[in-house]
Amino acid sequence: GAVVSQHPSWVICKSGTSVKIECRSLDFQATTMFWYRQFPKQSLMLMATSNEGSKATYEQGVEKDKFLINHASLTLSTLTVTSAHPEDSSFYICSARVLADYNEQFFGPGTRLTVL
Amino acid sequence: GQNIDQPTEMTATEGAIVQINCTYQTSGFNGLFWYQQHAGEAPTFLSYNVLDGLEEKGRFSSFLSRSKGYSYLLLKELQMKDSASYLCAVMDSNYQLIWGAGTKLIIKP
Repeated sequence: GAVVSQHPSWVICKSGTSVKIECRSLDFQATTMFWYRQFPKQSLMLMATSNEGSKATYEQGVEKDKFLINHASLTLSTLTVTSAHPEDSSFYICSARVLADYNEQFFGPGTRLTVL
Repeated sequence: GQNIDQPTEMTATEGAIVQINCTYQTSGFNGLFWYQQHAGEAPTFLSYNVLDGLEEKGRFSSFLSRSKGYSYLLLKELQMKDSASYLCAVMDSNYQLIWGAGTKLIIKP
């Protein structure tokens, strides 16, 4: 199956700093990538949909100025958490969509962010 | 609004069979997915149903009834490694995935 990587796998940072998370589709071109956030014992929450070459579409309640998304190529999307605070600590997961018969999404391994 | 319902937690015995149900109400329907998620890891794809009926894949099977807005995931010959959360997700008319909260499955020896 298609492979999606994320980097870093985990990151610890101080409050007020910015953190960049990369999401790459390794063996396919993804025109659409999705960014999710998952708090402990909760389901995935879609933050934004990222289309290559255009601005990301953010879900209601997600601050676009705080969570900057760039989808510069068909294989790379980045999420930057700006001025991170402890409440931003979460598991961030990206997925990439393969245009196929059923539009399956392939997930990256996730990034565990802890803001001190 | 859009809604996906599945039980919060289920317990089963190693070697047994368990059925995890999912009901949904969404704006349009372009298929239903089941994902498995182990603690601290990203979800992994298990199955996809877009037509009514049963799809079998090894020890796992998934069923869909579009008229009833209902699906189930059937796990046979349970193994300890099957302990995980199982997520039901429906793709709506905008090709967005609507996620259920997940069912935590606990397997006991």
